[in-house]
This record gives sequence, C-alpha cells and structure tokens, in this order.
Amino acid sequence: QVQLQESGPGLVKPSETLSLTCTVSGGSFTSSSNSWGWIRQPPGQGLEWIGTVSSSGTSYSNPSLKSRVTISVDTSKNQFSLRLTSVTAADTAVYYCARFYWNDVSIDYWGQGALVTVSS
Amino acid sequence: QTVVTQEPSFSVSPGGTVTLTCGLSSGSVSTGYYPSWYQQTPGQTPRTLIYSTITRSSGVPDRFSGSILGNKAALTITGAQADDESDYYCVLYMGSGVWVFGGGTKLTVL
Repeated sequence: QVQLQESGPGLVKPSETLSLTCTVSGGSFTSSSNSWGWIRQPPGQGLEWIGTVSSSGTSYSNPSLKSRVTISVDTSKNQFSLRLTSVTAADTAVYYCARFYWNDVSIDYWGQGALVTVSS
Repeated sequence: QTVVTQEPSFSVSPGGTVTLTCGLSSGSVSTGYYPSWYQQTPGQTPRTLIYSTITRSSGVPDRFSGSILGNKAALTITGAQADDESDYYCVLYMGSGVWVFGGGTKLTVL
C-alpha cells in the first residue's frame, strides 16, 4: 500500500514562495511506472493539475503555472517537493500530492491534502 | 488552452441511472486520452473510480462504468444510491506529460 503525506507551512504571505514536501512510503518510489505530482483545489472549486516529476527528475507543469512552479525529487528520502513563487490569494487551496501510475495512466494514490492559505 | 468540459450539476433518483460526460472544448475525446474518473465527497480525498476509459479501480462497485459516447468520455452510474451523491471529476492525459482536469459535476441523488 502506497501512502503519501504532505508537509509544509499552512500560511504564506503574498508575493512569497509556497513550499510543500510529500513523503512517500510503501511501493517503489523509483519505479519507472510512477511519476509523482501535485494537484490543488481552491475552496469550493474544482481540482487543478499543477505538475509531475519522475524519480529521474524529469518534470512537467501546468502551462498556466509553468513560470512559477518547480517540482523536484529526492530519491534518498522518498520525497518530492513543490515550490510556487510569487503567490497571491488565488493560490489559496488544498494541495494534494499524488502518484501518477503509468501502467494504468491514472492517479491512483493521493495524500490527505494540505490547506495553504495566502494572506498577510 | 485545452478545456475539459463536464456538466456542472446533475440529479438522479435513487435506483435510477445517470450518465456524466467529459468532453473537449475543441475536438473529440478518445481512448488515446486515457480518460479517468474520480469521486470526491466534501472534505474528502478524491477516489479513483475508472481509469483508461473503462477499467474499474479495485473495490469500485460494478454499477459504475466508463465508456466513450460519441465524442465524449462517459461515466454511467446504474442503480444510484444515496452515498453516490458526490462531485465527479474526469481527467484526460493530453500527452507530453500534461494532464487536464474537467471542472467537475456535482451529482445529487434525490
């Protein structure tokens, strides 16, 4: 059973950088069948794909966020991370980390989600 | 930019059948987009229902089924139950590492 857990500050000031880390347990973190990614959900709104990273470090991100997003991986700790720069109130959301499983081409495991509020 | 379209809301009677759809603002959805469907109840983490168009995830009741209907992906719930009242999201894999969520459908069972 794969488990994912988000961690990071719950409050970020406008114009600063949002940083979250996801720790993965169970399964094979470095399998080529897996990519690891971030999805967010503003309060009362739908889900939005932010981006993914493979264990080799290849990353992809949502074109609408691309210039502000960095997703990185640390295979020694079974962790991957999100950095989102120049945040505004519109970036307030629950941020989920998830496993993207290429054998099924699906998102099959999700973290519990972390609420990040952007406010001064 | 690609927009994935879903009905904002739908209602179904208990025991009834409902089909939710997932389309593209431009073009048709095919199996090559590997449509998948996720169920989310308020305050909960999304749950995978269907992947690769038609495959039910482990533990998902067989009253949930996926298909391609015309130019859209579809999720059909046969014999709807009260606890099916949820938000349903489709996701398409666009290729080149890019995924796009639909806006979600709020399903009411009444």
